[in-house]
Amino acid sequence: DSGVTQTPKHLITATGQRVTLRCSPRSGDLSVYWYQQSLDQGLQFLIQYYNGEERAKGNILERFSAQQFPDLHSELNLSSLELGDSALYFCASTRTGTNTEAFFGQGTRLTVV
Amino acid sequence: AQSVTQPDIHITVSEGASLELRCNYSYGATPYLFWYVQSPGQGLQLLLKYFSGDTLVQGIKGFEAEFKRSQSSFNLRKPSVHWSDAAEYFCAVGNSGGYQKVTFGTGTKLQVIP
Repeated sequence: DSGVTQTPKHLITATGQRVTLRCSPRSGDLSVYWYQQSLDQGLQFLIQYYNGEERAKGNILERFSAQQFPDLHSELNLSSLELGDSALYFCASTRTGTNTEAFFGQGTRLTVV
Repeated sequence: AQSVTQPDIHITVSEGASLELRCNYSYGATPYLFWYVQSPGQGLQLLLKYFSGDTLVQGIKGFEAEFKRSQSSFNLRKPSVHWSDAAEYFCAVGNSGGYQKVTFGTGTKLQVIP
């Protein structure tokens, strides 16, 4: 158990809909990272938050957004969903914003139909 | 730009046999290198990492990896594979600037046969 909790584990939704994925980092970790894992793209970094502030952006679509709350949990919002958004979405956390050992959650499998 | 290549998409080994998973990286300076394992339905778990020092790194579950700067490689090895090692393995490269700068390879899926 990595200590990182993601909910829900599975999500099935229709095209055009909006979903919210939730991540609780390990106790004491200030930084949260979101990744998308798909068969054709591999593991892609989406966005990082550190202590409530956006720290870095990767290959995140404009239809996607995220935030980190005062209790340090984070949410990833995906809107106007397309079939191609079907993937595993992982959250990872680190103690600081520059620490390079990350702990991953079990992921949320999103299926868009 | 940094990159990681895992040339083997899929590898099958017999239980008890030795294992070597290949990883080649491209990076301008001394890299931070990682190996992660992902079991079915699970998140990524760190097996080992190299930042500096001894180029032979020991990790969890009996795995080791060797950093070879001249070959830009960081291959993962295990002397005797167990059925529970069947999983997908990811090599990754980064630097001291934080995890957002870590680039993952596309993974090698390991199948273990009796």
